[in-house]
Amino acid sequence: NAGVTQTPKFQVLKTGQSMTLQCAQDMNHEYMSWYRQDPGMGLRLIHYSVGAGITDQGEVPNGYNVSRSTTEDFPLRLLSAAPSQTSVYFCASSRTRGVTQYFGPGTRLTVL
Amino acid sequence: GDSVTQMEGPVTLSEEAFLTINCTYTATGYPSLFWYVQYPGEGLQLLLKATKADDKGSNKGFEATYRKETTSFHLEKGSVQVSDSAVYFCALSVITNTGNQFYFGTGTSLTVIP
Repeated sequence: NAGVTQTPKFQVLKTGQSMTLQCAQDMNHEYMSWYRQDPGMGLRLIHYSVGAGITDQGEVPNGYNVSRSTTEDFPLRLLSAAPSQTSVYFCASSRTRGVTQYFGPGTRLTVL
Repeated sequence: GDSVTQMEGPVTLSEEAFLTINCTYTATGYPSLFWYVQYPGEGLQLLLKATKADDKGSNKGFEATYRKETTSFHLEKGSVQVSDSAVYFCALSVITNTGNQFYFGTGTSLTVIP
């Protein structure tokens, strides 16, 4: 069991570039989510999914898109990167919404 | 609204000292409460949890008791080790009109010195 995996570990972008952060889980979890972690602000929910084909916005969705075509994968797309999106991004999954979440190792993104 | 407040860090302790990290919550329903730990360069890992009032969660020498009367879930350990140096997050899960929702505190950084 690999758990929750994320790629890449590190990424540097220029303002205006787009990219996709990958997230996959092999635990057959229905619920997946993306958070960003910023100093002094804890974790903030960006988007989440309660199952394949179903996604919804979290607390800070602007500038990000998600899709969930399979149970396993939940990619996060940055449409036009901005310096304010410099952060550490974590993907998490759980059996259902609201129960113990399992986190990936994170992607550290810098936007210049 | 629903939220979690935890004590600000950073916290620096000597090895074998007693640790308390305070966490209080606001919730309209009956939340489940969690402590997560984040070691340097890694993602968050569940440390312990409690799902109802007066439950005590414990793991790796850490304990926390779900106190409904004081809306608290303080994390304690009797004797910390250097390997406990990490960031600790208190979190709650509560049922809302759109389903269960997770809320995280801002994290407390702990450094244990030999």
